[in-house]
Amino acid sequence: DAGVIQSPRHEVTEMGQEVTLRCKPISGHNSLFWYRQTMMRGLELLIYFNNNVPIDDSGMPEDRFSAKMPNASFSTLKIQPSEPRDSAVYFCASSLEVGGGDEQFFGPGTRLTVL
Amino acid sequence: AQKITQTQPGMFVQEKEAVTLDCTYDTSDPSYGLFWYKQPSSGEMIFLIYQGSYDQQNATEGRYSLNFQKARKSANLVISASQLGDSAMYFCAMREGLQGGSEKLVFGKGTKLTVNP
Repeated sequence: DAGVIQSPRHEVTEMGQEVTLRCKPISGHNSLFWYRQTMMRGLELLIYFNNNVPIDDSGMPEDRFSAKMPNASFSTLKIQPSEPRDSAVYFCASSLEVGGGDEQFFGPGTRLTVL
Repeated sequence: AQKITQTQPGMFVQEKEAVTLDCTYDTSDPSYGLFWYKQPSSGEMIFLIYQGSYDQQNATEGRYSLNFQKARKSANLVISASQLGDSAMYFCAMREGLQGGSEKLVFGKGTKLTVNP
């Protein structure tokens, strides 16, 4: 079975550019999560969706960040305009939410570098 | 206050020995879950083990077990018979509000485990 798929795996861009990260969750999973990992702040939840609906976006840093989930098999995280402090590894994860200890399956991550 | 505290930035263990990685948590919610994830140097996050707040017994998964002490709010991960492949970062995480349906996971800062041959 294919796991969570993220693209691109690496992205290098210049400050001010728009960046779009993509995620395909595991088929059949109904929840999708976007995380950011940095040395300073560790692993932080940015936003999560359940049945394609955003449930909690309290972790989204600011208006420059936006996320969408147009259907059950695709989600995007967009940063516009990007800044050097956005440099991090961005993980997408998915789970089949049935209540309780539903593990989240993580994708390989996208390493973003903003120059 | 931090929700999840992992006080050991780094730990060393000899191959084949057991090691305990500490995790304490802070919550007033009676319904919560605790997770451990492993992150090897390759970067992926791998789920290891889960403990629910109402579970009567400590969780076990192969060589992994969770020493759950509810009154002390600790959920330490025990790895038995360490292997070289266990060298990685280990993250403790908590999910509060299970009964309310929240799926938000809060992670600790992690512990870097090195297994020596």
